[in-house]
Amino acid sequence: EDQVTQSPEALRLQEGESSSLNCSYTVSGLRGLFWYRQDPGKGPEFLFTLYSAGEEKEKERLKATLTKKESFLHITAPKPEDSATYLCAVQAVGSSYKLIFGSGTRLLVRP
Amino acid sequence: EAGVTQSPTHLIKTRGQQATLRCSPISGHTSVYWYQQALGLGLQFLLWYDEGEERNRGNFPPRFSGRQFPNYSSELNVNALELEDSALYLCASSLAGYEQYFGPGTRLTVT
Repeated sequence: EDQVTQSPEALRLQEGESSSLNCSYTVSGLRGLFWYRQDPGKGPEFLFTLYSAGEEKEKERLKATLTKKESFLHITAPKPEDSATYLCAVQAVGSSYKLIFGSGTRLLVRP
Repeated sequence: EAGVTQSPTHLIKTRGQQATLRCSPISGHTSVYWYQQALGLGLQFLLWYDEGEERNRGNFPPRFSGRQFPNYSSELNVNALELEDSALYLCASSLAGYEQYFGPGTRLTVT
């Protein structure tokens, strides 16, 4: 069964303190791995798509990487406005394009 | 460019009633996906519509149904509402197979 596990569940950082979020996945065949940011009571905001092991993508203070078993979302020198829940999702080959989501990592960045 | 829109923002219904939720995709997108995000649970795939046809559904009972109109907008209907149907219902749109962009969601409360 296709599955996504994110860790940690919650992370508290001081402003400027860099860290990484983990997303491990088990899928029959990976079509794509997606990262989203979700603020409370709002819809997820698309951040990145990664398709193959070794791929990396960056956006401002965020960098996403992908291996054959997991993905990392690195946050460099975070700011309070980076506080949100970060969701990882996978799309399996032949899955009709549905996304299978992890439970997310709640990030709090303190000033 | 306008994003995905959903209506209503909030919906309060009584157990046993029916609820109708609406979604307008990003212009040019032909696929619409519906997800349920219940409190404390991750996003769960509900339904996928593409080119007016239902292409796939998740592990939800038949009282969850919907349709896609010729202009690619979509409607989700939930019949015989139960208390556990209370959740944030998210609609996403995409060109089939590509990144899914989410709307702000409809918060359904069943009392």
